[in-house]
Amino acid sequence: DTEVTQTPKHLVMGMTNKKSLKCEQHMGHRAMYWYKQKAKKPPELMFVYSYEKLSINESVPSRFSPECPNSSLLNLHLHALQPEDSALYLCASSRGVTGELFFGEGSRLTVL
Amino acid sequence: KNEVEQSPQNLTAQEGEFITINCSYSVGISALHWLQQHPGGGIVSLFMLSSGKKKHGRLIATINIQEKHSSLHITASHPRDSAVYICAVDYGGSQGNLIFGKGTKLSVKP
Repeated sequence: DTEVTQTPKHLVMGMTNKKSLKCEQHMGHRAMYWYKQKAKKPPELMFVYSYEKLSINESVPSRFSPECPNSSLLNLHLHALQPEDSALYLCASSRGVTGELFFGEGSRLTVL
Repeated sequence: KNEVEQSPQNLTAQEGEFITINCSYSVGISALHWLQQHPGGGIVSLFMLSSGKKKHGRLIATINIQEKHSSLHITASHPRDSAVYICAVDYGGSQGNLIFGKGTKLSVKP
């Protein structure tokens, strides 16, 4: 299994809603990432988890809250988002500190 | 400043043509990634390389460390190769904090 699975594929939410994005991999990778990608732009790193611990937070607003319950799962909790947060949110994983990245198909978020 | 420059930004080819996409970077790196993204879709890792050349099917990636340059070649291009190809470099700093190029949008016409 060389897949990174993201759910939901599409999400529409209001600015007062609370929702979560989920990411799962069963490749035994110990590093997992959240990226944000706006249209026609390259991905921007948001968070990195290494061995289930948050190792990098790229100055992301607190309305985005990551969680890594175990080595296979990564969540991104969303609360009080703004319309400008609408984007494709990509999850990725890698074996360790350096290595090939495996990306999911992304969750396309629209904030109304 | 660490920069990654890709060329061309847009490329249109006829089916069967040999395609080359270029990537240049400004300082020493630990690895370079070539990624593929179809419209509205997720990203697929094509290659990760730190030296030499790698081949997978019709795709070939090369890197010249001294010249700080990498190329992605597609032989016998096909309409299904139409996608955005992204070069990303790992400068060996923060884990996962790749520096991405702006991407090359490839369209292969039948």
